[in-house]
Amino acid sequence: GQNIDQPTEMTATEGAIVQINCTYQTSGFNGLFWYQQHAGEAPTFLSYNVLDGLEEKGRFSSFLSRSKGYSYLLLKELQMKDSASYLCAVGDSNYQLIWGAGTKLIIKP
Amino acid sequence: GAVVSQHPSWVICKSGTSVKIECRSLDFQATTMFWYRQFPKQSLMLMATSNEGSKATYEQGVEKDKFLINHASLTLSTLTVTSAHPEDSSFYICSDGRGDYNEQFFGPGTRLTVL
Repeated sequence: GQNIDQPTEMTATEGAIVQINCTYQTSGFNGLFWYQQHAGEAPTFLSYNVLDGLEEKGRFSSFLSRSKGYSYLLLKELQMKDSASYLCAVGDSNYQLIWGAGTKLIIKP
Repeated sequence: GAVVSQHPSWVICKSGTSVKIECRSLDFQATTMFWYRQFPKQSLMLMATSNEGSKATYEQGVEKDKFLINHASLTLSTLTVTSAHPEDSSFYICSDGRGDYNEQFFGPGTRLTVL
């Protein structure tokens, strides 16, 4: 079956760095997405990785290893507004997104 | 700015009534749109793929006669929840299937509460 695993909840301190991991097993692979979702709102796109390696975009970076079925989202210089759920999703062989359950990130002052 | 809109943002209805949710792609002619449902503290669940000018494709376990989807134009897809029940209360989100695939845009979502 298809499966996306990520931690349910993480806590970090304002100004610090946090890494949110995602492992996946899917039928085919057409890219891995990270989305941010604040409570009561729709997800907003953060990143898309289709090749191995690190993609940096400001305070956020996303890493992919296709051979390991593994990705992480790295958030630097954490701000209180980064408190949200972070969703990992993989595009399968039919270009359909398979979603993880999301990681709730709690930022403490 | 927003590229996908949804209307209404929230709706409360009585059990047994029908509710229509609209999803509009504001800057893209979307031949395909996706409808998701999200229960509290759970991830997005794809309900169906809306295809302009043809029938929608429903995911396993989603009742096509209960969740009616119409994609009459390249910028508008509608989801009608028929004979709504309290268990249909959820957050419904649409996204437009852009040709470049690598960045799906979501609408702001519609929160449905069925009393």
